[in-house]
Amino acid sequence: LAKTTQPISMDSYEGQEVNITCSHNNIATNDYITWYQQFPSQGPRFIIQGYKTKVTNEVASLFIPADRKSSTLSLPRVSLSDTAVYYCLVGDMYSSASKIIFGSGTRLSIRP
Amino acid sequence: EPEVTQTPSHQVTQMGQEVILRCVPISNHLYFYWYRQILGQKVEFLVSFYNNEISEKSEIFDDQFSVERPDGSNFTLKIRSTKLEDSAMYFCANGQGGSGANVLTFGAGSRLTVL
Repeated sequence: LAKTTQPISMDSYEGQEVNITCSHNNIATNDYITWYQQFPSQGPRFIIQGYKTKVTNEVASLFIPADRKSSTLSLPRVSLSDTAVYYCLVGDMYSSASKIIFGSGTRLSIRP
Repeated sequence: EPEVTQTPSHQVTQMGQEVILRCVPISNHLYFYWYRQILGQKVEFLVSFYNNEISEKSEIFDDQFSVERPDGSNFTLKIRSTKLEDSAMYFCANGQGGSGANVLTFGAGSRLTVL
């Protein structure tokens, strides 16, 4: 799996848009980018997945530039409940998925 | 929304005892994973399991650990002769494979405390 680099932590305020960028310079042609969210004492939860350009769902948007060497998770109008650790993973979406490794993630803290 | 169910939610055991953590996966999700997370640290891959066989395991997953599907549906992680440093949250995860290969559904976790 391609190595990913994310900021260790970020702070923001309620109502703001938060963008978390992940670098994955060695991303392969068949690799997709997947983001998970983890609240304290819970398992990670899938947020969004994409291959290129922009993907949007009810939770977030994922922006992927043409070279795909980075991606940005965008959380619109965050609330206190968005305080969590966010993980960026890169891997072959069609592989056997036998070893999915989580990095250190980005600890997002939202303040009132 | 389909769920992965883990039991027990919390187990306290004495050092040296054996522990079995259980997981009820999502029906038709054929890829199984165990992860652990020591308090304040990152989620660590332990083992993946497909078609009744271990697919991959990490260096953490030594002879102290084993996984089984005892009845063809449930999925267990056995930790023999527990040590203090085995205290952690243990998460079971389930994946569909194929086009959903990187999309895992995690259980709520089993907190293991070794005294």
